[in-house]
Amino acid sequence: EAGVAQSPRYKIIEKRQSVAFWCNPISGHATLYWYQQILGQGPKLLIQFQNNGVVDDSQLPKDRFSAERLKGVDSTLKIQPAKLEDSAVYLCASSSRGLIGNTIYFGEGSWLTVV
Amino acid sequence: QKEVEQDPGPLSVPEGAIVSLNCTYSNSAFQYFMWYRQYSRKGPELLMYTYSSGNKEDGRFTAQVDKSSKYISLFIRDSQPSDSATYLCAMSAGGGSNYKLTFGKGTLLTVNP
Repeated sequence: EAGVAQSPRYKIIEKRQSVAFWCNPISGHATLYWYQQILGQGPKLLIQFQNNGVVDDSQLPKDRFSAERLKGVDSTLKIQPAKLEDSAVYLCASSSRGLIGNTIYFGEGSWLTVV
Repeated sequence: QKEVEQDPGPLSVPEGAIVSLNCTYSNSAFQYFMWYRQYSRKGPELLMYTYSSGNKEDGRFTAQVDKSSKYISLFIRDSQPSDSATYLCAMSAGGGSNYKLTFGKGTLLTVNP
């Protein structure tokens, strides 16, 4: 079974520039998550999709971050304009039925450095 | 006070040692408790999952939850160099898809051959 695919793996941008990350979840997984993991900290949920709909985006900085999930499959996370404090790993994850009862599978992450 | 506290370490032990990793939490609504293992430059992977209080064993790994003390532990017996990773505790108030995981900071473990 193919895992959660993310791209690009690494990105370096200057502050105030924009960046987009792409995620392809495991086939058939209805729930998709984007987490932000700052170095030395645990992952923090940014947004959770159930199929096409947003379940939780309470911790997404909506003035600069946006995310969409087209046709309930792939997802894109965009940051515009980027700030230095956005330097982090952006982890995409998916599960088939939500939190418990099915494992959440994480991708390897997209590493963002803002200079 | 943070919802989940975890000593970031680093923790360095010799091969074969028993490792104890711990988290405390403040939110009494948490009922589901998980341990994730994260290798360098990889995403986290689920290691253990427990519901409410009690113990759960899986091979060399034992997870313990003490809800009265708001304290969870992960024990690794006969530790191996391949266990070297960051261990993240995570917890949730509910089991459905509308509940979110709250993670600890992670403890970096190195097992020396």
